[in-house]
Amino acid sequence: EVQLVQSGAEVKKPGESLKISCKASGYNFYTSWIGWVRQMPEKGLEWMGIIFPSDSDTRYSPSFQGQVTISADKSISTAYLQWRSLKASDTAMYYCARRGAGGGAFDIWGQGTMVTVSS
Amino acid sequence: QSALTQPASVSGSPGQSITISCTGTSSDVGSYNLVSWYQQHPGKAPKLMIYEGSKRPSGVSNRFSGSKSGNTASLTISGLQAEDEADYHCCSYASSSTSGVFGTGTKVTVL
Repeated sequence: EVQLVQSGAEVKKPGESLKISCKASGYNFYTSWIGWVRQMPEKGLEWMGIIFPSDSDTRYSPSFQGQVTISADKSISTAYLQWRSLKASDTAMYYCARRGAGGGAFDIWGQGTMVTVSS
Repeated sequence: QSALTQPASVSGSPGQSITISCTGTSSDVGSYNLVSWYQQHPGKAPKLMIYEGSKRPSGVSNRFSGSKSGNTASLTISGLQAEDEADYHCCSYASSSTSGVFGTGTKVTVL
């Protein structure tokens, strides 16, 4: 079964760092882009960025460039989303998703990781 | 870039058809046939319903169809069912940033 399994919920303080993960299984991790999507409470989806694990080619939405870092470890089929200094406004659900359908569509989604940033 | 514009809510009775619009610009929706649509039930991850504007993944009901005219893409749900009550999000490639952009999201209510 093709699936993406994300790390568990996090509660952090402003200024702290964080790295969440997304482990892929059931397909060749090297061959598909993996993206990250933010969903703030009661809001819509936001396209953050994508990475091609084979060569770590990474693209960011202008809104998230410089705010987060997307990486991947192909040896363990895992993608990551990282913050150096969290803000309260980073509180959101974060989804990873595979670009496996035509036209760049996300066909497989992780279950989501809830990140809460509060003092 | 700005989010694509969707109506906040659309409603219909069981058996009816509804259409959700997704309006962008000539730099995203208008330039490419790369719009995808996602269904999201409360507390769940999104699910791909349409890709490349009008194609359905395996397992998605043929009651869901997609189309595009100019800078506006549309998702039509025919024969509306109670299980279709959910949020729907469109997404397009945006050439200006070589990234993607989602729509504002639409809540579908089955009356």
